Amino acid sequence: IQMTQSPSTLSASVGDTVTITCRASQSISNWLAWYQQKPGKAPNLLIYDASTLESGVPSRFSGSRSGTEFTLTISSLQPDDFATYYCQQYDNFSPWTFGQGTQVEIK
Amino acid sequence: QVQLVESGGGVVQPGMSLRLSCAASGFTFNTYGMHWVRQAPGKGLEWVSYISYDGSKKYYPDSVQGRFTIFRDNSNNTLYLQMNSLRGEDTAIYYCAKVRPGPYPAPPKNWGQGTLVTVSS
Repeated sequence: IQMTQSPSTLSASVGDTVTITCRASQSISNWLAWYQQKPGKAPNLLIYDASTLESGVPSRFSGSRSGTEFTLTISSLQPDDFATYYCQQYDNFSPWTFGQGTQVEIK
Repeated sequence: QVQLVESGGGVVQPGMSLRLSCAASGFTFNTYGMHWVRQAPGKGLEWVSYISYDGSKKYYPDSVQGRFTIFRDNSNNTLYLQMNSLRGEDTAIYYCAKVRPGPYPAPPKNWGQGTLVTVSS
């Protein structure tokens, strides 16, 4: 299963709402997670099962699904949110695959 | 709290082997599936392997199938990755990760700090 993530880079300002998209090459049900990664650090799980917020993650992060298209939305972007974001599919019995990543930069 | 500490990385020549370890603590190790994920310098994340809680199920992507072997020692709370026939494209930071609690399938939630593997002559 291939995951196509877009855009690769996104420039935004504090307070903006940003959207990142991942499209799966075939159905993965809701088996999709979103991660945030900062330079030199391990990834941090934000959302799993397409739309469930991981404990401790701010509510400005949200996830949704429409068919094989998945969206991560960050509402009211904060300075701490400038990072790289990855989607990952974990469909049963398939190799887990990550999207290519989206770097969210300060405009 | 969950702690994962990788070790075993280093510089190795192409074609050689290396074994990575991941010491786990702060949770009941023998009840969770575990992953290895790598990240080449300046690149994205690549899933490398998964092992079920009891070691009975193992999965790999095509890029490492037949060269890498994941295994675990539940008596010592340690995860391993045996890497054979290493290539330049295997150069990366290797992370071990624990799946989040819940029914299978579940994504990785807790990650180690990573160990760097450099394959170079």
